[in-house]
Amino acid sequence: QSVLTQPPSVSGAPGQRVTIACTGSSSNVGAGYNVHWYQQLPGTAPKLLIYGNNNRPSGVPDRFSGSNSGTSASLAITGLQAEDEADYYCQSYDSSVSGWVFGGGTKLTVL
Amino acid sequence: DVQLLESGGGLVQPGGSLRLSCVASGFTFSTYAMSWVRQAPGKGLEWVSDITNSGGSTYYADSVKGRFSISRDNSKNMVYLQMNSLRVDDTAAYYCAKRRGGPLYTWYFDFWGRGTRVTVSS
Repeated sequence: QSVLTQPPSVSGAPGQRVTIACTGSSSNVGAGYNVHWYQQLPGTAPKLLIYGNNNRPSGVPDRFSGSNSGTSASLAITGLQAEDEADYYCQSYDSSVSGWVFGGGTKLTVL
Repeated sequence: DVQLLESGGGLVQPGGSLRLSCVASGFTFSTYAMSWVRQAPGKGLEWVSDITNSGGSTYYADSVKGRFSISRDNSKNMVYLQMNSLRVDDTAAYYCAKRRGGPLYTWYFDFWGRGTRVTVSS
């Protein structure tokens, strides 16, 4: 059971907007610790998608955005494309375990 | 371009040992902290260990504390993970990752290797 909770799956049609929630607690997201997001395409290594809650590394399209509110964070993907089909993970620091924790991952299916 | 290449994975019996290596290129290795993150088959990501740029500080997940040891050789652009007393639940793909961030609560992993597979089984 992950410290950060994500829905196992989400889906959307091409061109639509989807959001992936990452629910934490007062010892991680709720404490104001940064949330980061990773994309893992099938059979490949994770890739940094969003860092510091809402910053995109160079090369990541602006269709991807992050936001935080209270003990939760969200990843939004607009203009959904077939190549966005992947697993998505949130990550933060947790003071109760004194370590860096990931969400359980969300599988995005593009219909 | 940043490249991270892991090696050293394989099949090992429970209680055995394995040493993973990761060679880095494309950035000033001695400037950055490095981490290991693992992923059990069909499961999510789990942070395992971290070492600061100088090697002066190391961090471990509770699940591996006392069994795993991280180290680095800045002259060779290498980071290592010595894994002892291996258990079946250590079976995973192990990724080497370059770590960024200032205060520890901001840390994240900006580049990842392709991973090396470790299977612990009798």
